[in-house]
Amino acid sequence: NAGVTQTPKFQVLKTGQSMTLQCAQDMNHNSMYWYRQDPGMGLRLIYYSASEGTTDKGEVPNGYNVSRLNKREFSLRLESAAPSQTSVYFCASSRDRKADEREKLFFGSGTQLSVL
Amino acid sequence: RKEVEQDPGPFNVPEGATVAFNCTYSNSASQSFFWYRQDCRKEPKLLMSVYSSGNEDGRFTAQLNRASQYISLLIRDSKLSDSATYLCVVTGYSSASKIIFGSGTRLSIRP
Repeated sequence: NAGVTQTPKFQVLKTGQSMTLQCAQDMNHNSMYWYRQDPGMGLRLIYYSASEGTTDKGEVPNGYNVSRLNKREFSLRLESAAPSQTSVYFCASSRDRKADEREKLFFGSGTQLSVL
Repeated sequence: RKEVEQDPGPFNVPEGATVAFNCTYSNSASQSFFWYRQDCRKEPKLLMSVYSSGNEDGRFTAQLNRASQYISLLIRDSKLSDSATYLCVVTGYSSASKIIFGSGTRLSIRP
């Protein structure tokens, strides 16, 4: 059972380059999320998708776009990377059949992104 | 003021010791509370939920104090494998944007 799979694990970009982070889950979860984690800042929500076909902004959406391709996949795109986007990115998913289940998050293994 | 605050540590304790750390939250309307564990360069993983009545899972005990707006995690008989960062998570009503992570408390267990 793979859980949440995200790729790539590491990426180095130059300022202005674009890239897409891929995420897929095999747990039949409705909700999917993209977080970034910076030292001393905790995890901050970039975008989330409560169900297939819907996406919403989180706390720090500027400079990012997302696509909920189907129930399994949720991608994050950086159109023009900036050094401020250097971070560790985590994809997560959750069931939400009832209120308490919504917040039990299952995370992918993360992407270390450096923008030079 | 941050919505969820944790002492960043590090807490450095000997194996076998009991260690406790707290997490305070600012929104009195917060609904659900969790502790996640994150190993170095790994993803966070759910450790346990926190209920008003308190809950225990082996050596781990979590408590919620709504009046003072904090949650706590107690680890008894600590093991080397407990070394990790512990993240406090506080959630609000029915919205992913209301899932707030603390910045974590680092715990290091020494032999």
